[in-house]
Amino acid sequence: GENVEQHPSTLSVQEGDSAVIKCTYSDSASNYFPWYKQELGKRPQLIIDIRSNVGEKKDQRIAVTLNKTAKHFSLHITETQPEDSAVYFCAASIRGSGGGADGLTFGKGTHLIIQP
Amino acid sequence: DSGVTQTPKHLITATGQRVTLRCSPRSGDLSVYWYQQSLDQGLQFLIQYYNGEERAKGNILERFSAQQFPDLHSELNLSSLELGDSALYFCASSVTEGQHTEAFFGQGTRLTVV
Repeated sequence: GENVEQHPSTLSVQEGDSAVIKCTYSDSASNYFPWYKQELGKRPQLIIDIRSNVGEKKDQRIAVTLNKTAKHFSLHITETQPEDSAVYFCAASIRGSGGGADGLTFGKGTHLIIQP
Repeated sequence: DSGVTQTPKHLITATGQRVTLRCSPRSGDLSVYWYQQSLDQGLQFLIQYYNGEERAKGNILERFSAQQFPDLHSELNLSSLELGDSALYFCASSVTEGQHTEAFFGQGTRLTVV
């Protein structure tokens, strides 16, 4: 099955600096790569996603890049703010045992800490 | 508010017992996904239903089962509970059969097995 590795597990940056979180996946058939943000005690929320036919996608201060050949994708957050502090999860879609539909395989998460 | 409702929010039960977690998807969403989140295993996909039928299985134990009813709400049944089953259980829903569009998560049910 799919395996998603995420690094680093903890990332501390100064407010205003950029943060980069990296993920690798194993299943070359995966073609959907979302990123979720989870604040303490809250539900995961989608912040950005990318599909395999696109190499880069940007939404204001957040961008994701995908390298299908190398099977890795990254989240970039620029001009970080205190409210960016949270746990971020990358994920990749997998083909389920039912054959027709997909679940998501998540990375272990990155705890992003924004230092004031 | 994501529009996905999970009940109960908290559940404390003893080992060996059986519990049922309930999820109501967003209006119009036909797919329901169940995930387990624990400190050591992270977020793990358990199972997916689409319009009442099982569509995909992940790391779901045989002691666990789920179903989706005609009104599209779903239930996750956990039996013969063990201490290691203590976790946060999330339900998510999406409009498509495959999870290639945004999945909206509920607030989760925190299960504590004592």
